Amino acid sequence: DAGVTQSPTHLIKTRGQQVTLRCSPKSGHDTVSWYQQALGQGPQFIFQYYEEEERQRGNFPDRFSGHQFPNYSSELNVNALLLGDSALYLCASSFGQYSSTDTQYFGPGTRLTVL
Amino acid sequence: AQKVTQAQTEISVVEKEDVTLDCVYETRDTTYYLFWYKQPPSGELVFLIRRNSFDEQNEISGRYSWNFQKSTSSFNFTITASQVVDSAVYFCALSEGRRAASKLTFGTGTRLQVTL
Repeated sequence: DAGVTQSPTHLIKTRGQQVTLRCSPKSGHDTVSWYQQALGQGPQFIFQYYEEEERQRGNFPDRFSGHQFPNYSSELNVNALLLGDSALYLCASSFGQYSSTDTQYFGPGTRLTVL
Repeated sequence: AQKVTQAQTEISVVEKEDVTLDCVYETRDTTYYLFWYKQPPSGELVFLIRRNSFDEQNEISGRYSWNFQKSTSSFNFTITASQVVDSAVYFCALSEGRRAASKLTFGTGTRLQVTL
């Protein structure tokens, strides 16, 4: 049973560039959430996708956008990168939108460094 | 607004000692869920437990136990007879509403170091 996978593992970009991170959910899951974790901090919620639509969004600027594909995989796009965007980006998957018993399971993350 | 506070930044213990990690939360919802995750050096968050706001029963799983007290808005985590493999950063998290897998609000984490 494959868990949540993310690619790439590490990424180095320069200020102003754009980046795309990818996530494949755990088998049987249909909902994907993205989190940003700065060094020494707890993860911060970016947004959640279900049925190819953004269902919840955290307090992140429009430079952060996402997409979910019919196979439930997801992408996180960040435009006009800033030094402060350097962080570990975590993807989490879960099942269903109305369950009281579900849990978000996390992938290994993508470490983004902006120079 | 929801908030999770983990006041202990770092804890160091010697193997076989018991250790308790504190978590205090704030929410205006009557329905919510509390979680603990473990983050080893590899970076992946590992799910440990989920609790809903209507279930204040304490839970024990092997060397791990959790104490949920709504009266003090706390959800503390105890490791009994700690081991070196328990060394990691532990996060407490909260989601509001009827969906357990809704947006998670995390605390800042407690780094646990277990030495021989």
